[in-house]
This record gives sequence, structure tokens and C-alpha cells, in this order.
Amino acid sequence: DTAVSQTPKYLVTQMGNDKSIKCEQNLGHDTMYWYKQDSKKFLKIMFSYNNKELIINETVPNRFSPKSPDKAHLNLHINSLELGDSAVYFCASSRQGTGHEQYFGPGTRLTVT
Amino acid sequence: QQQVKQSPQSLIVQKGGISIINCAYENTAFDYFPWYQQFPGKGPALLIAIRPDVSEKKEGRFTISFNKSAKQFSLHIMDSQPGDSATYFCAATVNQAGTALIFGKGTTLSVSS
Repeated sequence: DTAVSQTPKYLVTQMGNDKSIKCEQNLGHDTMYWYKQDSKKFLKIMFSYNNKELIINETVPNRFSPKSPDKAHLNLHINSLELGDSAVYFCASSRQGTGHEQYFGPGTRLTVT
Repeated sequence: QQQVKQSPQSLIVQKGGISIINCAYENTAFDYFPWYQQFPGKGPALLIAIRPDVSEKKEGRFTISFNKSAKQFSLHIMDSQPGDSATYFCAATVNQAGTALIFGKGTTLSVSS
């Protein structure tokens, strides 16, 4: 059983399009995150949700909008895609009180052409 | 401003040797310091973590050494194996609900056989 799953794994799209990435965790965790990993492998937090409440919203363009329909899901919608959005996006989850122990999904490689 | 600095950027070690990766942090509010391991095409996975009230933690071949006064910590991999070849990230966090991992820039380790 996959603990944290993301779909799709690969996403190739053109500039200006709108796309979504879905994330689901079956670990029963209360907290979920989105991280961006750039071409140099640097990992940076984008958003975190705890019990469906937005906790962290880093300086990310407002073209990025997370949505948490329930504690097990955290989706990421991106409007008007730009070349600079090309990266690998990771969803992660953790149990409340153990934020240092995050479980990451396999990542979604987004390529904007 | 980079809150967690990691070195070296890359490391080549012979099989059976010791791999050492160093990190330094700025924010004294951090209260957990995990290390994550990432294989190509996969998400990061927690390897080992330490709290600042402990100077050393060992799990199998992996040891974290922590120097609170110097605000530095390091990962030692004893008897390095080709299967250890991966990218290693140090991180720091404040263990509160929804708090993000602040990652170093990563170290790519290659263990030659």
C-alpha cells in the first residue's frame, strides 16, 4: 500500500495552461505539505495544512492554490503556468507533533514548455 | 538568507569508507534536526533525527553528531556501501503543527565499489 501517493507522476504542459496535482495519504496523518524541488535539487516548502487549515503559505505566486477537501487529501492547482514553474513537486504528510518525520510522495515532475 | 547550510555539495567515497556531511544552522528556535535520503526519481525519506539536547545519535551505520554551541550537526555513514549512493539533505524544524522542514541544499554521495 502506497502511504503518500501523487498523480500524475509526470506533467508536460504549455505556458498559460492551468493544471492540478493530486495528493492522497493513507497514514491517518493530520498535517500535509507541498514542497517544490528545483533543478538543483533544492527543496522548499510551499504550503502546509493541519486538519484542513492552512498553516504555512510561503511566498508563492497566487497562481498556486492548494485545496484540502479532507485530512487525507491535499491538491495543488496552478493557474497560468510559466516556464519557471518547471520543477518536481512533492506532497508530504506527518502526524501531529512529529513534524520532523514527514512522509513524502513520489513527486510530480512538471515541465512547462 | 539560507537558514541551513550544508557541505559538501558532492562527495565520493570508497566502499567501506566513512562519509561525512556537515550542516550549520542559524535559528536557535529549531528543535529537531532530521536527515533525509533521496534516491533518483523518489521522494525524500527520513533517515535519522536528533534533538538539540542530545550530542550524538546512532542508528546502525548512521550517526548524527550535534554541537549546540557551534550550531552545527553532521551525518557520519560508517562502512559506506554502493547502495548508500543518494542525495542527503539535512533539515531543521520547530516541532509544531504544520511547521515546515527547512532543508540544506543537499549532498550527492557516490560510493564507489
